[in-house]
Amino acid sequence: GQQLNQSPQSMFIQEGEDVSMNCTSSSIFNTWLWYKQDPGEGPVLLIALYKAGELTSNGRLTAQFGITRKDSFLNISASIPSDVGIYFCAGQILMNSGGSNYKLTFGKGTLLTVNP
Amino acid sequence: ETGVTQTPRHLVMGMTNKKSLKCEQHLGHNAMYWYKQSAKKPLELMFVYNFKEQTENNSVPSRFSPECPNSSHLFLHLHTLQPEDSALYLCASSQDTPSGEQFFGPGTRLTVL
Repeated sequence: GQQLNQSPQSMFIQEGEDVSMNCTSSSIFNTWLWYKQDPGEGPVLLIALYKAGELTSNGRLTAQFGITRKDSFLNISASIPSDVGIYFCAGQILMNSGGSNYKLTFGKGTLLTVNP
Repeated sequence: ETGVTQTPRHLVMGMTNKKSLKCEQHLGHNAMYWYKQSAKKPLELMFVYNFKEQTENNSVPSRFSPECPNSSHLFLHLHTLQPEDSALYLCASSQDTPSGEQFFGPGTRLTVL
C-alpha cells in the first residue's frame, strides 16, 4: 500500500523563524492535504492541493503539490507560538472511477515547537 | 453546535465492558469516517460510510462495530476490547467520498484496562 515519509519528525524553532516540512512517497497521489492537530483536538485542514505543481497559500502557510505527484511541502513563515502542534500530510488516490475505492494516507506527523 | 462533535471525550473501560462512541456532524455532509490514532503511528482509517452505507471496512477486528443510522450520526460500538486498542478515536466527515477535505471531531481518548 501507499506510504508517506514525512520529515522532519520534530522541529524546535525560535519565534519568527521560517519552517519547512515535507512528505514524499513512492506512489503517485491525486490530492495532497496538510492538517494541523493541537493537543486534545482533532486535525484541522490547512491546505488542499489538487494539481501537480500547484502552489497554494493560506496566510503565513504555503504548500506545493510536487510536479511528480509523489511529494509535497509545507512552509510556515514568521512562526508564532500558536503554530505549535503536529502537522500531518495526507495523500489521496482514487483507485477507480466508481468513487468508492480510494484511500487517504497520512504521514506520521511533524511535531513543531516554537520558543517565544 | 457546529462542525463535528464526539462524545465522550474520554473513556476508560475494562476488557469485558461494552461501550459506544458517538459522532455527530452539523455540516450537511454525506460521508463519515472513523479513524484510530495511536502514538507514533499514522492515522489509521477504520470505516467509511457514504449516504449511510458502509463503503469501507479496513480490516478492523469485529470487536469494533460501526453504526450509521443517518448521514449526521455515526457510532462505534466497542466490546471485549484489548489494551492495545487504547488510542484516540477520531470521527470525520466530508461532503462526498472520495474527498480529502475531511473535517475531524476532537476525538475520544479511549483507555482499555
